[in-house]
Amino acid sequence: EPEVTQTPSHQVTQMGQEVILRCVPISNHLYFYWYRQILGQKVEFLVSFYNNEISEKSEIFDDQFSVERPDGSNFTLKIRSTKLEDSAMYFCATNKGLGNYNEQFFGPGTRLTVL
Amino acid sequence: AQSVSQHNHHVILSEAASLELGCNYSYGGTVNLFWYVQYPGQHLQLLLKYFSGDPLVKGIKGFEAEFIKSKFSFNLRKPSVQWSDTAEYFCAVTGGTGTASKLTFGTGTRLQVTL
Repeated sequence: EPEVTQTPSHQVTQMGQEVILRCVPISNHLYFYWYRQILGQKVEFLVSFYNNEISEKSEIFDDQFSVERPDGSNFTLKIRSTKLEDSAMYFCATNKGLGNYNEQFFGPGTRLTVL
Repeated sequence: AQSVSQHNHHVILSEAASLELGCNYSYGGTVNLFWYVQYPGQHLQLLLKYFSGDPLVKGIKGFEAEFIKSKFSFNLRKPSVQWSDTAEYFCAVTGGTGTASKLTFGTGTRLQVTL
């Protein structure tokens, strides 16, 4: 069964450094998302992406964050200058995007630790 | 804005006990409702979803949920839990009928099933 994959599984970085989190969506899916979960808190929506542009973003997704699909396969989340409070589990999700509704399939997540 | 409340943060049950996890949502329009499960060390998986029609929906692994519109609730149930049901359970909602709307999650309920 096709799966969403994410790399790395764990990223440790110093405050102020840039990080790029990578996601490989399921091949025929059209909609892509990033969510995050700070330890002990709920899963929060960050951004959705369709047709090579952002469809929707949350208040969390400020100028420090960006997304792109540079090579038509990987879907990346970049944090330009990490802060301590960016430490969280980051989940990528994808959606086939046909019909009234389709399930979002989640990747295993990347645990980001900012020191 | 849509929101989801899960009232039970940590539930401990013995094997074969019945389970009911509460979920209430807040949204003024048409909603799609979901329960996701996260087994230890694994990614989020869809247990079941409600889009329209019969308000009693059945999912995988013997789980079911009932949509009660008048109570804005979508409680998850299972008649007899197993040790392997130990996991974190998340209720989520999307608003409207858009194909690719973002998911809004509750805070999650950690279920621990003892032998």
